[in-house]
Amino acid sequence: EIVLTQSPGIVSLSPGERATLSCRASQSVSSNYLAWYQQKPGQAPRLLIYGASTRATGIPGRFSGSGSGTDFTLTISRLEPEDFAVYYCQQYGGSPPLTFGGGTKVEIK
Amino acid sequence: QVQLQESGPGLVKPSETLSLTCTVSGYYITSGFYWGWIRQPPGKGLEWIGSIYHTGNTYYNPSLKSRVTISVDTSKNQFSLKVTSVTAADTAVYYCARDYSGYEHVPGYWGQGILVTVSS
Repeated sequence: EIVLTQSPGIVSLSPGERATLSCRASQSVSSNYLAWYQQKPGQAPRLLIYGASTRATGIPGRFSGSGSGTDFTLTISRLEPEDFAVYYCQQYGGSPPLTFGGGTKVEIK
Repeated sequence: QVQLQESGPGLVKPSETLSLTCTVSGYYITSGFYWGWIRQPPGKGLEWIGSIYHTGNTYYNPSLKSRVTISVDTSKNQFSLKVTSVTAADTAVYYCARDYSGYEHVPGYWGQGILVTVSS
């Protein structure tokens, strides 16, 4: 099973700042099958990125994903007030076919 | 636009079976994609439970496999989750989800979630 470790657990930033979130896999993620989700309190997760770097439909350009192999990054170029949330990475290239990281909370400083 | 809605009891007694249904609108389950269940204990992260393909093939989280069954009712355009022998550790918000178009095992469409509490 591919274990995903996200860091930091919590990051405190101000609106307008850049957020850099890390997701590290215990083994190489096949074909960069890595996705990112945003979850706000009381809501279901929302798909942001798939294939490590492709934005899902309707996702603003300030969200970008990068990385390959075992190290992946989600970057939010300039934080908007609505971006303060918890972010999860998820791999879909291994067995079992779907595992999530533990999440990173982006909170307002 | 596909929409998913979870339904079922919000309270289940320990050792009993948790049963949930996901009703799908805007898309026929038999037309394609994986349909899955994901849960989230209060204040914690996401845990994939399992998925069923439109053909009926299933995948389960190894840690839950012995207690979980996912099935499809094509006549009602629904799929269901059963978890047997529940304990307090099964208390969670349960989400049903469908693959993002063309990408297997990438939940792109989610229900709103249903809180299930295991307590006597």
